[in-house]
Amino acid sequence: SYVLTQPPSVSVAPGRTARITCGGNNIGSKSVHWYQQKPGQAPVLVMSFDSDRPSGIPERFSGSNSGNTATLTITRVAVGDEADYSCQVWDVISAHVVFGGGTKLTVL
Amino acid sequence: EVQLVESGGGLVQPGRSLRLSCVVSGFTFDDYAMHWVRQVPGKGLEWVSGISWNSGDIGYADSVKGRFTISRDNAKNSLYLQMNSLRPEDTAFYYCAKDIIRPWNVDPQFDYWGQGTLVTVSS
Repeated sequence: SYVLTQPPSVSVAPGRTARITCGGNNIGSKSVHWYQQKPGQAPVLVMSFDSDRPSGIPERFSGSNSGNTATLTITRVAVGDEADYSCQVWDVISAHVVFGGGTKLTVL
Repeated sequence: EVQLVESGGGLVQPGRSLRLSCVVSGFTFDDYAMHWVRQVPGKGLEWVSGISWNSGDIGYADSVKGRFTISRDNAKNSLYLQMNSLRPEDTAFYYCAKDIIRPWNVDPQFDYWGQGTLVTVSS
C-alpha cells in the first residue's frame, strides 16, 4: 500500500517560514491535499490539489509537489498557526485514501 | 453555514456493534460523496470508508472491510456507519467528512468535517 511520510515535528520562530514535507513514491504524480488540526478541533482543509488555497485560507499558506516530496509552506508564521498538519492523497491502485502521519508545528 | 454533526459514539464491549450517524445541513447533501475518517487520540488520521452521492459506489479501508457498513439517506441528509464485530483497535474519534464532488473515488478530499464522536471499545 502507498505510504506517506511526514516529520513528526517542525519548530519555527514567529515571523519565519515553516516548511512541512510529505514524502511518497512519485508523489509528484498525485494530487496532495493538506489539513490543519488544532487541539480538540476537527481538521480543516488548508491546501487542495497541491497548491490551491481554499477560500478563507491566508495567502501565507502555499504548496508545492514534485518528484517524491510535497511541501506545505507557511510564511510569516504566527502563534495561531500552531497545529498538526497532515497530507493526504488518493492511491488509485489500492483505491484507498491515504494520510500521512501528521506533523506537529510548534511556534517557538 | 455548513454543519456536520455526528452522534452514536460511546463505550462498547469487544465483539459488539454500534451505529454512528451524521446529520448535515447548509449544503445539498445528495450532490456530494461522503466519508468517515477516524483518529486514535493523539495519533494520525485514518480513512475508514467513502460513499458516492447516490450510494452507487462504496469503498472501505482494509482494516474495517467486512465489519463496517457505510450508508446514507439523502431524504434525511444523513450518513451512517454500522460497525460490527468491534475490536479495541477501533477505539477512536470518528469524523464524517464531505467530499467536493459526487463520486467518492475520484481524488477525494474533504472540505468540511464534523466535530467527531468518540468510540471506545473495551471490556
